[in-house]
Amino acid sequence: NAGVMQNPRHLVRRRGQEARLRCSPMKGHSHVYWYRQLPEEGLKFMVYLQKENIIDESGMPKERFSAEFPKEGPSILRIQQVVRGDSAAYFCASSPPSGSSYNEQFFGPGTRLTVL
Amino acid sequence: QKEVEQDPGPLSVPEGAIVSLNCTYSNSAFQYFMWYRQYSRKGPELLMYTYSSGNKEDGRFTAQVDKSSKYISLFIRDSQPSDSATYLCATTTGNQFYFGTGTSLTVIP
Repeated sequence: NAGVMQNPRHLVRRRGQEARLRCSPMKGHSHVYWYRQLPEEGLKFMVYLQKENIIDESGMPKERFSAEFPKEGPSILRIQQVVRGDSAAYFCASSPPSGSSYNEQFFGPGTRLTVL
Repeated sequence: QKEVEQDPGPLSVPEGAIVSLNCTYSNSAFQYFMWYRQYSRKGPELLMYTYSSGNKEDGRFTAQVDKSSKYISLFIRDSQPSDSATYLCATTTGNQFYFGTGTSLTVIP
């Protein structure tokens, strides 16, 4: 069973361009979370999605950022008109459907975005 | 106030030492507490999770939660150079996960 896959692993964009980050969850997992990690700020929750639904996007910046998890295919985190402050590591995590309050998350290797 | 506070270190110990890593949290409603290990340039991996107060042991690792003081601890016995990594504590409301900033640990052979 392959783990969570993210691509690309490294992405370089110029200011004003768009960045698209992809996340394929583990097989059987229907929950996807996106996080941003900056060197001295730790992991920051951005958004929680289930198939075709955004469950919680309270950590997403109001502008330029969007996320989706379509019925078929990977989850996409999209950043429009990137700025230098968007440079960070973006991690995706997935978890299986669960009836409890706790869903164990499995993290992908991350996408390192650099904005020039 | 941050949901989870963690001393970033860095922490450097000799091989074989007992390591103590700690976090505090702000919301008494949190019930699940996790410890993740993250190697450089990799994604976090779950080490242990605990529910409510008490201890949980897994090999050389012991996780401890004290809800009265809102204190989370991870103890590593007989530390090894392979334990060198950043350790993140976390808690969750169910939808959102809140992470500490991570403590960087180096175990010196």
